[in-house]
Amino acid sequence: GAGVSQTPSNKVTEKGKYVELRCDPISGHTALYWYRQSLGQGPEFLIYFQGTGAADDSGLPNDRFFAVRPEGSVSTLKIQRTERGDSAVYLCASSLTGGRGETQYFGPGTRLLVL
Amino acid sequence: AQKITQTQPGMFVQEKEAVTLDCTYDTSDQSYGLFWYKQPSSGEMIFLIYQGSYDEQNATEGRYSLNFQKARKSANLVISASQLGDSAMYFCAMRERLNRDDKIIFGKGTRLHILP
Repeated sequence: GAGVSQTPSNKVTEKGKYVELRCDPISGHTALYWYRQSLGQGPEFLIYFQGTGAADDSGLPNDRFFAVRPEGSVSTLKIQRTERGDSAVYLCASSLTGGRGETQYFGPGTRLLVL
Repeated sequence: AQKITQTQPGMFVQEKEAVTLDCTYDTSDQSYGLFWYKQPSSGEMIFLIYQGSYDEQNATEGRYSLNFQKARKSANLVISASQLGDSAMYFCAMRERLNRDDKIIFGKGTRLHILP
């Protein structure tokens, strides 16, 4: 595919459950970013991967959130013991090398609803 | 303190008029980048324009231009000859490098409505 893809597009879960959100970046892009966008807000930075390693995970709100990118392509955002406040759209973006001026290409997002 | 401030939560503009969306930022970094993104009701984030802090010329991309005033720490987006399809949320964002960590920060956005 040409663009960033994210699955699932929608996820409904119950409070306390575990969820995994997947991001497939543009082929060849080494930089990958996760954001969270709550209703009426701008995207909030969560974590930035350069290759397989998390270059900056300072945006993860707490230790219930974890993300991996084991082979430097697909990334999975994992949320344990979900809370209602985790409900948001989770956006993934990728860029070629992570350079400061590079365009970040966004996926369509995963809309997470925690009941 | 907010890093990116967009003071206009909503704007209504007549079609074909020019529109300026305000953005001010706060950073102690000397080297940073500023971005504008458009988010239509469908939800995807569309990159519009980029300005580097050391770029001497204001960035332009078609009908979009960025009015960069470094001393005032402002990076307003100007859309010329607005079209109905410009109706969307617009986000200003900054990438700065502090202590070897890159952070990308978005403002709260401005909802632009273009009137026929």
